[in-house]
Amino acid sequence: QVQLVESGGGVVQPGRSLRLSCAASGFTFSNYAMHWVRQAPGKGLEWVSLISYDETNKYYADSVKGRFTISRDNSKNALYLQMNSLRAEDTAVYYCARGQQWLIKDWGQGALVTVSS
Amino acid sequence: EIVLTQPPGTLSLSPGERATLSCRASQSVGRNYLAWYQQKPGQAPRLLIYDASTRATGFPDRFSGSGSGTDFTLTISRLEPEDFAVYYCQQYATSPLTFGGGTKVEIK
Repeated sequence: QVQLVESGGGVVQPGRSLRLSCAASGFTFSNYAMHWVRQAPGKGLEWVSLISYDETNKYYADSVKGRFTISRDNSKNALYLQMNSLRAEDTAVYYCARGQQWLIKDWGQGALVTVSS
Repeated sequence: EIVLTQPPGTLSLSPGERATLSCRASQSVGRNYLAWYQQKPGQAPRLLIYDASTRATGFPDRFSGSGSGTDFTLTISRLEPEDFAVYYCQQYATSPLTFGGGTKVEIK
């Protein structure tokens, strides 16, 4: 079965950086687009970024464009989100998700990122 | 950017009742690329409906989706206790992908 396990969350000061990882298993990772979606505490869902199966296309929400970078390593079945210049409003649970093209199909359990001094 | 609106924010219903959830888009959603997700407290969302009306694996047929263009509906024909949750619509036709604010279906 599809498994997506996020790691790398934690508490970080405003302006600092953090990298999230997502370990994928149970499917042929290199065949699928992947997403990051976040959810601030007590709030709704916000799509963050999408990367195509071969890394040729990447898309970002305006709120993170220029600060976050999505990448993947198909040899390691891993997805990443490099987050720079973090702000308090980036505090959220970050979900890794498998895509079918742009449809978000399967979700991990999430990693909490808290931006606070 | 396509803005999705989900009125009302909360629906208070009893088990056995019919639930009708609305999702309205600020512009037409191409190819009806509209999905619905169910989220229970402390859990990740689960894909429920995609392409506006196709039910995802694992959900019973009391869940159905309909609509096209800018108006979409999720219907739960007869609420079971496990259906009380938050439901989000999302469009995946255009970047940036966008979610509605969600409708909480709570027990009356």
